[in-house]
Amino acid sequence: DIQMTQSPSLLSASVGDRVTLSCKASQNIYKYLNWYQQKLGEAPKLLIYYTNSLQTGIPSRFSGSGSGTDYTLTISSLQPEDVATYFCQQYNSWPTFGAGTKLELK
Amino acid sequence: EIQLQESGPGLVKPSQSLSLTCSVTGYTITSGYDWSWIRKFPGNKMEWMGYISYSGSTNYNPSLKSRISITRDTSKNQFFLQLNSVTTEDTATYYCARWEYSSYISYFDYWGQGVMVTVSS
Repeated sequence: DIQMTQSPSLLSASVGDRVTLSCKASQNIYKYLNWYQQKLGEAPKLLIYYTNSLQTGIPSRFSGSGSGTDYTLTISSLQPEDVATYFCQQYNSWPTFGAGTKLELK
Repeated sequence: EIQLQESGPGLVKPSQSLSLTCSVTGYTITSGYDWSWIRKFPGNKMEWMGYISYSGSTNYNPSLKSRISITRDTSKNQFFLQLNSVTTEDTATYYCARWEYSSYISYFDYWGQGVMVTVSS
């Protein structure tokens, strides 16, 4: 199966910061990559699909990019409500997930 | 509004079977999409377990294929997970989710809140 590696595992940032989260696949996944946000005690929420398409209702401060094996989720200006764990997920073969990046406020 | 809700025992003994139910409201599971089970282990690693399609076909993660079964009751708009011969390694939070899959787009767009299952004697 395709392994997904996220970095960093923990990220501390301040309100207003530009934040970048990384996700690396063990092989080319041809942009078949989604991002989810999970807040404590809640279900995961789809943020970005097919690398850079914003899910309906998601704020435009979230964006995605990447190709091949390397992908990025960017939050342009961090808000307090963005504190959560973020997961990437590929679907070039059966779905596999990264282990998440926990984002906290500095 | 589409909602999914998992239910089932929170504690299962080793070697027994784990059985969970996902109740869906706001959408009929025979109308479309694939209906998946996903689990999150302590430490946050998530694993897609398998799905049952709107037509009733199933597809499972190869790592679980010998132990897993996903079925449904269309009259109740529910689908089920059975995982046999569990070990402590199966301790996780189990989620059901709707899986959109078409052409180059595929994602889990609706999720349940999750149910924590501990395997322990």
